[in-house]
Order: sequence, then structure tokens, then C-alpha cells
Amino acid sequence: NAGVMQNPRHLVRRRGQEARLRCSPMKGHSHVYWYRQLPEEGLKFMVYLQKENIIDESGMPKERFSAEFPKEGPSILRIQQVVRGDSAAYFCASSPEPGTNEQYFGPGTRLTVT
Amino acid sequence: GQSLEQPSEVTAVEGAIVQINCTYQTSGFYGLSWYQQHDGGAPTFLSYNGLDGLEETGRFSSFLSRSDSYGYLLLQELQMKDSASYFCAVSSGYSTLTFGKGTMLLVSP
Repeated sequence: NAGVMQNPRHLVRRRGQEARLRCSPMKGHSHVYWYRQLPEEGLKFMVYLQKENIIDESGMPKERFSAEFPKEGPSILRIQQVVRGDSAAYFCASSPEPGTNEQYFGPGTRLTVT
Repeated sequence: GQSLEQPSEVTAVEGAIVQINCTYQTSGFYGLSWYQQHDGGAPTFLSYNGLDGLEETGRFSSFLSRSDSYGYLLLQELQMKDSASYFCAVSSGYSTLTFGKGTMLLVSP
């Protein structure tokens, strides 16, 4: 059973460009969570999605950031007009059902904005 | 809102026992989880406490006191491979987790 997959693993973007981060949850998991981690920091919750629905986006900046989890295909975290402060590791996690505290994390995408 | 406090770094020697504490303040609380992260890689779930008391999983145990808003992770028979960052996290509905800043555990020979 393949784990949570994220791609790309490393992404370099110039200021003002768009970044698209992809996450394929574990097989059978329909709940996806996105987190951001800065160096020497914990993970900060951004958004929680189920198939075709955003359940909780309270941790996501109101501007430039969006997320989706379509019926078919991976979940996408999209950052428009990136700035240097967006440089971080972005982790995706999945779970088979809500209300479980055991989330399965992917290897992360390291975004560097130059 | 939520906030969690845990020590930034703990050192120990192989074979020893180490305890990593976590205190939290939260407006809603369902439970306390612990995750391990090696060198910025994928965090891995270790344990969860929804009720007061001790949960044991092999060499790792976790404790929760809801009345004290306090928990700890206990690692026994430390091995070099246990050197990693350990995060406590509280859940408060919808399975969203709020993580602490992490404790870096350094295990020396």
C-alpha cells in the first residue's frame, strides 16, 4: 500500500510566479490536510479537505493561496505570485476518516522562492 | 486559539530513559498526539491520548492529564536512531492538529 505521495519534492520559483504542489493520499483515504513548516518550527495547519469539499481553511492565508481536492486526481495547493516568505516545506497528510488523530504524512515539498 | 509548549532540545545517552513534556492551552480539546520527524522528513505518528493516563506502545509511552493540560512522551532504552524531533499536537475538532514547535532529541553513544 503506497504511502502519501507528494510532488515535486523540491520546487524553485522566482518571486511573482505560481507554485503548484500536488498530494496523492493513501489508498482509501478521502481526507487530506495541508501543513506548512518553517525551519526550526512546528507544522502549521493550513487547510483540511474532503473530496470536492473544503472543510476547514482557517489556517490558509486569504490571498494568493488556494486548495482543491477534486473527485479524480490529487489534491492541489496553489500559491499565486509567490514571495520569499512563502519559502518553506509543505506537507500533506491523509486519514481514512475524520476524528482520527493518526494522520499519515507525505515526504513534503520544499519550496524555495528566489 | 491554541498554544503548546515543549522544550526545544533534550540530550540523552543510549540505553537511557527520556521524558519530553508538553503543556497546552486550547479552546477546544479532543486529545494529544505525538509525532516523530527525522531530519525534516515526513512526520510519523507515535501515539495518541484522548483520556487521562498512560498509553504504552513498545519502547514509547505517552501520558495525559487533562486537568493539568499536560502530557509527556517517554522513550525507554534509547537508541541512536531515536535522535529526531518530537512534536506534540492537540486536536480540536475536524481532525485538525495544532503542533508544538518540537523538541530535538540528541542521543549520544
